[in-house]
Amino acid sequence: KNEVEQSPQNLTAQEGEFITINCSYSVGISALHWLQQHPGGGIVSLFMLSSGKKKHGRLIATINIQEKHSSLHITASHPRDSAVYICAVRLRSNYQLIWGAGTKLIIKP
Amino acid sequence: DSGVTQTPKHLITATGQRVTLRCSPRSGDLSVYWYQQSLDQGLQFLIHYYNGEERAKGNILERFSAQQFPDLHSELNLSSLELGDSALYFCASSVAGEGRNTGELFFGEGSRLTVL
Repeated sequence: KNEVEQSPQNLTAQEGEFITINCSYSVGISALHWLQQHPGGGIVSLFMLSSGKKKHGRLIATINIQEKHSSLHITASHPRDSAVYICAVRLRSNYQLIWGAGTKLIIKP
Repeated sequence: DSGVTQTPKHLITATGQRVTLRCSPRSGDLSVYWYQQSLDQGLQFLIHYYNGEERAKGNILERFSAQQFPDLHSELNLSSLELGDSALYFCASSVAGEGRNTGELFFGEGSRLTVL
């Protein structure tokens, strides 16, 4: 079993829909990162969380440390949100990163 | 612009050759991470340097090596190249790497290597 599991692997939705991507982990962490990789390849850091909730524009990220689970939400989704969303956790023990496999999101107009 | 600079952006070479990929981290960032991403695959961690010292190794082949210089830029050397080495190679930097959370990650745009 992978230490970081993302779901779903693939998600296709219509423009305007509310999107949720989940990340579960089985290790002790000091922080969790959400990143976005566009079809062109560039990777952008969206959030770094160690507790609670963060919001940036239409993106919301939450983390529940007790349940070892994080969610990334996109409100009013738009075709430009189409990308791969990646969850990564930083281990509390040695500060190394463990990466999820990514969720490929396609938003149709 | 993440502040992380990678060169070259694209590189085409032949099997058996050797290439060097370069990464300049964001100003003030001491940690540099190298990742490999093959076609339609996730990021594979190669190696992490902090302030000039190797801190962690991932799935890095013996044909590959890296170093971080006193000015904190890093180079990834790939030798005896094989077709399967064709991939995007990303560099990322963060503030720290020792004893505390390292902060947000900033990625370069990647170097796309094609081995023919």
